[in-house]
Formats: sequence, C-alpha cells, structure tokens
Amino acid sequence: QSVLTQPPSVSGAPGQRVTISCAGSSSNLGAGYDVHWYQQLPGTGPKLLIYDNKNRPSGVPDRFSGSKSGTSASLAITGLQPDDEADYYCQSYDSSVAFVFGTGTKVTVL
Amino acid sequence: EVQLVETGGGLIQPGGSLRLSCVMSGLTVSGTSMIWLRQAPGKGLEWLSVIYSDDSTYYTDSAKGRVTISRDNSKNTLYLQMNRLRVGDTAVYYCARLESTYHYAMDVWGQGTTVTVSS
Repeated sequence: QSVLTQPPSVSGAPGQRVTISCAGSSSNLGAGYDVHWYQQLPGTGPKLLIYDNKNRPSGVPDRFSGSKSGTSASLAITGLQPDDEADYYCQSYDSSVAFVFGTGTKVTVL
Repeated sequence: EVQLVETGGGLIQPGGSLRLSCVMSGLTVSGTSMIWLRQAPGKGLEWLSVIYSDDSTYYTDSAKGRVTISRDNSKNTLYLQMNRLRVGDTAVYYCARLESTYHYAMDVWGQGTTVTVSS
C-alpha cells in the first residue's frame, strides 16, 4: 500500500551525515500535504521524529532535520551515532488513499 | 506520562474474530483523534482505521466490512474489532494518537500487540 518511495538502506560511519529520501507524487507531497518522519528501533513501536516537514517534537535531538520540496522530502541525520541504527519511515496524506507511509529505510551505523 | 498499551492479540484461526484494546493513560480518549495501524512481519506500516475527535470513522479499503473502530470513554480505551480474519492479517497492531496541531502526525504510539492468523 506504500505510495511513498524510500531507499531500502543507507549506511554511514559514526559522526557522518546520512540522508534519506522520500519520493511522492502530485496526490500527496505534491498536493501540499505535510510529511512526517518516524524512527522505529528494533522490536519497538515507531516514534515521531519530525512533523510538518521540518519540526522536531520536544526531546528529539537537533541532529535530525527534515525538508520538503515539491513531490519529495528528505530526512538528514548528522553526527551519526550507534543508537541511530533503526528503520525510518516517512508519512503523509494522499487524496485517494488517506494516510500513506514510505517503504522504509534501514539505517546502519558502520 | 502519556502512554498507550495495546492488548488482545494472539493466535487465531482463519475466519475467526478478535477485539484489540488500546488503553490510554495521561490523555483522554474522548475527543482525541486516534488511529489503528499494523505492520506485517518484515514489512512497512499500514493504516487500518481512524476515529476523529468528532467521532467520524474511516477505514482503508482492505479493512472495510471486516473491521470496526470504537471507543469507550468510561474506560478510556480504544478498540478495534476484527472479523473474518485471514492469514494475511498476521501483523503487529499499533494504536497511535493523531495530533491535530501537528497536522495529524502520529505523536504517541503503543508498543503493539501481535496477531497471528494460522490454522
């Protein structure tokens, strides 16, 4: 059911910067709907990381940042840490299927 | 502390029924927009049903006719009634709050409850 496309995996060494892309279409991101990002650590429920494209909930480190332009969005993690190893999902709204998620990206810290 | 705890999962035969519960603490189910989602083994996240603060309900196409979302304000609990379960319904089921000030981002999640549909 995923209509937002993410790379299956990204990796980086501790301290490096990695980015995760989220590609949508004219019926979701391109229609002006906001994108949200979630982090899912192994064996746990997802956690809201970024809301409304670029905003961090209280308690989320500023190493995590988000952006959106047109039909795509991205999540950047700077100063990569071992605890950042997790699955990351983008999420938005689609005019035809309502809530939509990305395909998910596994971040590996080398 | 705001917390959601899902219960009610288990092993069920195809064609059976289950009612999942999402007990809320630190927030009131009444007037809160809530959503049920699931994650099949090794797969991504999929929404199933939403109940908004005005009590309007919506379902994804795969859930329509088999799933019912409801809430009991006196028990501060959200429910998901699932009928005619199929093997493909095997997943971890999550409830989450939709925060309207965050343009309905899901800002609080439970830990999930596992449903296994198998004969």
